[in-house]
Amino acid sequence: EVQLLESGGGLVQPGGSLRLSCAASGFTLDNYAIHWVRQVPGKGLEWVSGISSTALLTYYADAVKGRFTISRDNSKNTVYLEMNSLSAGDTAVYYCTNSPFMLRFLEWSPHPEYWGQGTVVTVSS
Amino acid sequence: DIQMTQSPSSLSAIVGDRVTITCRASQIITTYLSWYQQKPGKAPKLLIYGAVNLQSGVPSRFTAKGSGTDFTLTITSLQPEDFATYYCLQSYGVPPTFGQGTKVEIK
Repeated sequence: EVQLLESGGGLVQPGGSLRLSCAASGFTLDNYAIHWVRQVPGKGLEWVSGISSTALLTYYADAVKGRFTISRDNSKNTVYLEMNSLSAGDTAVYYCTNSPFMLRFLEWSPHPEYWGQGTVVTVSS
Repeated sequence: DIQMTQSPSSLSAIVGDRVTITCRASQIITTYLSWYQQKPGKAPKLLIYGAVNLQSGVPSRFTAKGSGTDFTLTITSLQPEDFATYYCLQSYGVPPTFGQGTKVEIK
């Protein structure tokens, strides 16, 4: 089955850290730019970060810049989001996706779109 | 950041209705505009890219137009599976930014 699978979410105290993983199965991630998008339950979508297929280019939302780091290991078919200095405002469902056209500086070509099922990050004491 | 103002925030419609959602950008984004559909508890799904282009596999009842700052998504004949929340996304600037969403509900 072709899918993306996120993992690594959970409950963390304010100021803590988590590392999210986005693993692909059934297809090769290294052909695609990958993005993280988050959503507070009941609220809208927020783009968080994106990485080019070769990892040479990375981009971040202002709200996470300096605290989050996106990376990828194409040999493991996995993208990571390292999250530090977490606060309550980071509480959300985090999705990874290869959705094309999400950021024109990374790619602008049609291809099949995949999303993970989401992983829940809760920052609370 | 480029702000995306989407309207309405919600609407009620019946099967067969023609429904139009609008999105306005705070600055010119040419045609770097996409539309996504999200159903409760599910990940979003890309419908439209480049302001007017239908993603592969998306039904042709979804149409879109616009360029510059003003964009629309139209569902020409609403189907039961179309009741969902729709978001626009601009990809012209960094960061890409979503509209606040339009919830399409059953009347």
